[in-house]
Amino acid sequence: KNQVEQSPQSLIILEGKNCTLQCNYTVSPFSNLRWYKQDTGRGPVSLTIMTFSENTKSNGRYTATLDADTKQSSLHITASQLSDSASYICVVSLVSGGSYIPTFGRGTSLIVHP
Amino acid sequence: EAGVTQFPSHSVIEKGQTVTLRCDPISGHDNLYWYRRVMGKEIKFLLHFVKESKQDESGMPNNRFLAERTGGTYSTLKVQPAELEDSGVYFCASSQGSMKDEQFFGPGTRLTVL
Repeated sequence: KNQVEQSPQSLIILEGKNCTLQCNYTVSPFSNLRWYKQDTGRGPVSLTIMTFSENTKSNGRYTATLDADTKQSSLHITASQLSDSASYICVVSLVSGGSYIPTFGRGTSLIVHP
Repeated sequence: EAGVTQFPSHSVIEKGQTVTLRCDPISGHDNLYWYRRVMGKEIKFLLHFVKESKQDESGMPNNRFLAERTGGTYSTLKVQPAELEDSGVYFCASSQGSMKDEQFFGPGTRLTVL
């Protein structure tokens, strides 16, 4: 069964600190992996997208890594800000009959305290 | 440029009634997707339109759900008759190119079936 597992389920950190969110997947065949940020009451917003051959991708203070061999990804947030408080969702897409079917993780809820 | 919009933002109906959700994608985006998040679970893919054609509807839960995209512009998702387990947040997303491209999500429609 294709699954995407994220950890931790929730995380509380102080403003200015760094944090790392984890994503393990069993999706196969793998097409790409995306990290999304979802604010409360809003739709997910794309942070990074990586294909099989990419190991790291940065977007400002967000850096995603991918190890396709161990099927693990991480999202590192540097110098956290209050506005980083949100749910972070890992999405892995598989290739199936010419289509790309996304499998979502349940997300990590991040709270940044002042 | 306007983003993906969804209407209504909230809908509360009784079991057995019919509800129609609407999604207006970003202008010029041929690809339109519907997703659903049931309480406590991950977001799940429902279906994918390319212009007015259904590219993939493997995620549609049953025949009580009907999606249309008239003229390749806006899309509607009708649930008839609604059941309690249909409650959740329905997201629409659009992308310019294929499913590999970045998807832009709408804010979602929260459906509650009583």
